[in-house]
Amino acid sequence: DAGVIQSPRHEVTEMGQEVTLRCKPISGHDYLFWYRQTMMRGLELLIYFNNNVPIDDSGMPEDRFSAKMPNASFSTLKIQPSEPRDSAVYFCASSLRRQETQYFGPGTRLLVL
Amino acid sequence: KNEVEQSPQNLTAQEGEFITINCSYSVGISALHWLQQHPGGGIVSLFMLSSGKKKHGRLIATINIQEKHSSLHITASHPRDSAVYICAVRNSGNTPLVFGKGTRLSVIA
Repeated sequence: DAGVIQSPRHEVTEMGQEVTLRCKPISGHDYLFWYRQTMMRGLELLIYFNNNVPIDDSGMPEDRFSAKMPNASFSTLKIQPSEPRDSAVYFCASSLRRQETQYFGPGTRLLVL
Repeated sequence: KNEVEQSPQNLTAQEGEFITINCSYSVGISALHWLQQHPGGGIVSLFMLSSGKKKHGRLIATINIQEKHSSLHITASHPRDSAVYICAVRNSGNTPLVFGKGTRLSVIA
């Protein structure tokens, strides 16, 4: 298996622009997680899905952030409009079951100017 | 909310040294994870444990539930062990992981 795939790997954009991050989980995994990592706050869970359904989005910072999982093999995290404070590395991870090991993607490094 | 503290924040060691990284948490948990983040940014799950000890190669993870404390040990450290090591805990079955700030390890040849 190719592991968790994220795209793009790097994104540089100007504030106010819409940013869409993409994730393909490991085939067969029922859980998908979106995390954000910054120097100040470390890793934070934004939202997670079970069988394509959002279960907990309490970590989503504000209404500018939205996440979807239209099918078992694809998820998006959208920021609209983006702000400089959104600059971070965004990781996607998947696991077979909730309590089991999570496999992380390579991350998307986002810079909002 | 669980507070997760890691120590030390930064650690520099000579190749071959025995290394210990500590993680303490404030509230009882159902599981604890140790993650490794390489200089390139990739994150790898090392261990998930809820009691006792686990060993994988030169890495050993222990947890003391009563003391709310876990340690990650690296024996015969090597420069390729240089990375950030992150501890994460889950309070109960459906709560999200809470992460420590990480320990940055540099192993010098």
